[in-house]
Amino acid sequence: AQSVTQPDIHITVSEGASLELRCNYSYGATPYLFWYVQSPGQGLQLLLKYFSGDTLVQGIKGFEAEFKRSQSSFNLRKPSVHWSDAAEYFCAVGARGGYNKLIFGAGTRLAVHP
Amino acid sequence: GAVVSQHPSRVICKSGTSVKIECRSLDFQATTMFWYRQFPKQSLMLMATSNEGSKATYEQGVEKDKFLINHASLTLSTLTVTSAHPEDSSFYICSARGGRENEQFFGPGTRLTVL
Repeated sequence: AQSVTQPDIHITVSEGASLELRCNYSYGATPYLFWYVQSPGQGLQLLLKYFSGDTLVQGIKGFEAEFKRSQSSFNLRKPSVHWSDAAEYFCAVGARGGYNKLIFGAGTRLAVHP
Repeated sequence: GAVVSQHPSRVICKSGTSVKIECRSLDFQATTMFWYRQFPKQSLMLMATSNEGSKATYEQGVEKDKFLINHASLTLSTLTVTSAHPEDSSFYICSARGGRENEQFFGPGTRLTVL
């Protein structure tokens, strides 16, 4: 069955520190992978996506993610975290290709200490 | 651009009543809209996919008669929770697909509390 696992429920980092949020997926075919951020009162916003090609993808707000097929992972990274990055982050896989049926992980809540 | 709104943002109702939630794509037309349910500290679960002018496709385990979806226009989809019970209390999120890449754009969600 298709699934997405985000092993870390909560992560706390200091402002300016680097960040890596983990995501593992289970999917039979070539996955369409996404990272979304959810802030209170706002809809989920797409940070980046991987459909094909270069396995290191750049997104908005200075985020990047690397697709590693051998590890079934799509970890999100940012070299220097800002206080405004505090939010809930969701990894997702497109189960029917592209933006069709999205299967989400449980999310990782990021807290940023000043 | 690509803004999706939901109304209301919060609703409290009594058990046994029905509640309607609206999802609107404000600046684009969406032939497909999606409805998700999010439990506290859990992921979003797709409930159904609605295509304008046709019946919604429900995910396995979702009661069609309890969660009525209508997608009557290219900018509006509604979710009606019929005969609501406390276990229906949740955060309901819609998304609308559009743009050059047919991306899903998400609404801010509706918090439903059934007393």
